[in-house]
Amino acid sequence: EVQLVQSGAEVKKPGESLKISCKGSGYNFAKYWIGWVRQLPGKGLEWVAIIYPGDSDTRYSPSLQGQVTISADKSISTAHLQWSSLKASDTAMYYCARQGDSAVYYAFDYWGQGTLVTVSS
Amino acid sequence: DIQMTQSPSSLSASEGDRVTITCRASQSISNKLNWYQQKPGKAPKLLIYAASSLQSGVPSRFSGSGSRTDFTLTIGSLQPEDFATYYCQQSYNTPQTFGQGTKLEIK
Repeated sequence: EVQLVQSGAEVKKPGESLKISCKGSGYNFAKYWIGWVRQLPGKGLEWVAIIYPGDSDTRYSPSLQGQVTISADKSISTAHLQWSSLKASDTAMYYCARQGDSAVYYAFDYWGQGTLVTVSS
Repeated sequence: DIQMTQSPSSLSASEGDRVTITCRASQSISNKLNWYQQKPGKAPKLLIYAASSLQSGVPSRFSGSGSRTDFTLTIGSLQPEDFATYYCQQSYNTPQTFGQGTKLEIK
């Protein structure tokens, strides 16, 4: 059974750093793109970035590039999203999701449970 | 970036109704269009991929159609568990943008 399990909720202050994680199981982690989607409070879904764990190829949303860093460690089947200096505007729920293969036209077919990040002074 | 525009933003309907949600892309995306359902406090769930293919385990009352720039999601006969927010997403290129969502509420 494919599962994505994310790290727990975080409360941070502006300017602090943070790294959240998403551990995959039940499939060959290295061979599927995995992405992050954020949802600001009361708002819709926003595509953030994706990574191919097999070779660490990455793609970012132009509006968020430079604000976050996506990474993956295929040896422990875990993807990460990190910030070097958080802002209050980063407060959101962050979901990781597996991008399926060509059979599902690269839709996000499995999702993690979400990690709530709250940035407040 | 490809812009995805859904309409309506919200919709009130009754159990048993047939409802249609539309999604328009700012440029042709062939059939690289996916639909997701999200319930409050939960992660999104894939319903339809490639514009019209039903994801495994999704009830057949859900259907999708369209190509290039114009797409629709239809729910054939609303069930209580269908009241949720629905998002379209293009997987034609990155960033794989989402529509703004359509909230389906009970009338």
